[in-house]
Amino acid sequence: GDSVTQMEGPVTLSEEAFLTINCTYTATGYPSLFWYVQYPGEGLQLLLKATKADDKGSNKGFEATYRKETTSFHLEKGSVQVSDSAVYFCALIHTGNQFYFGTGTSLTVIP
Amino acid sequence: DTAVSQTPKYLVTQMGNDKSIKCEQNLGHDTMYWYKQDSKKFLKIMFSYNNKELIINETVPNRFSPKSPDKAHLNLHINSLELGDSAVYFCASSPYESPRNGYTFGSGTRLTVV
Repeated sequence: GDSVTQMEGPVTLSEEAFLTINCTYTATGYPSLFWYVQYPGEGLQLLLKATKADDKGSNKGFEATYRKETTSFHLEKGSVQVSDSAVYFCALIHTGNQFYFGTGTSLTVIP
Repeated sequence: DTAVSQTPKYLVTQMGNDKSIKCEQNLGHDTMYWYKQDSKKFLKIMFSYNNKELIINETVPNRFSPKSPDKAHLNLHINSLELGDSAVYFCASSPYESPRNGYTFGSGTRLTVV
């Protein structure tokens, strides 16, 4: 069945460091891929998405490229800020209306 | 205006009680969902309704009963609460015809059973 695997955290970085959170997926065909972010005490917010191979989603300095050949959708940001501290979820949707979420990766950015 | 609103935000109750969580969306979406997030942040879908009709019913205890009086509301009633029910419950919505645009989530209800 469809599934998403993302790197386990927690991840701790210094401000202005480069961020990569790995995400790989299992699905037949061409799912749509997403990154959601959950700030402390809040619900999940859509960060970015990509709906077909080689698409790049971007928002707030974050980027992720849909790689069909490696079944990956890694999240990157060139220079993280303290305000980026949150839990990040990789997700896919394929057939039907159900999202499949990864287990979440907690990011803490220290000044 | 809040797109997906849940009430209450916090709920502390004793084992054995019955409680309800309410969810409303003003986005005009016709599909709504309940997710449970455990202490390790793992998200698990519980139920999904499309236009008041149940379309996803994952393996959850039958103490959990969703109710959708109309397509803008999806409430979650829990009977005989247990310690293991403590979690954050998220409501979400999406358009049925275009779920690939993503879900819109509520801010969650933190349920603590003591």
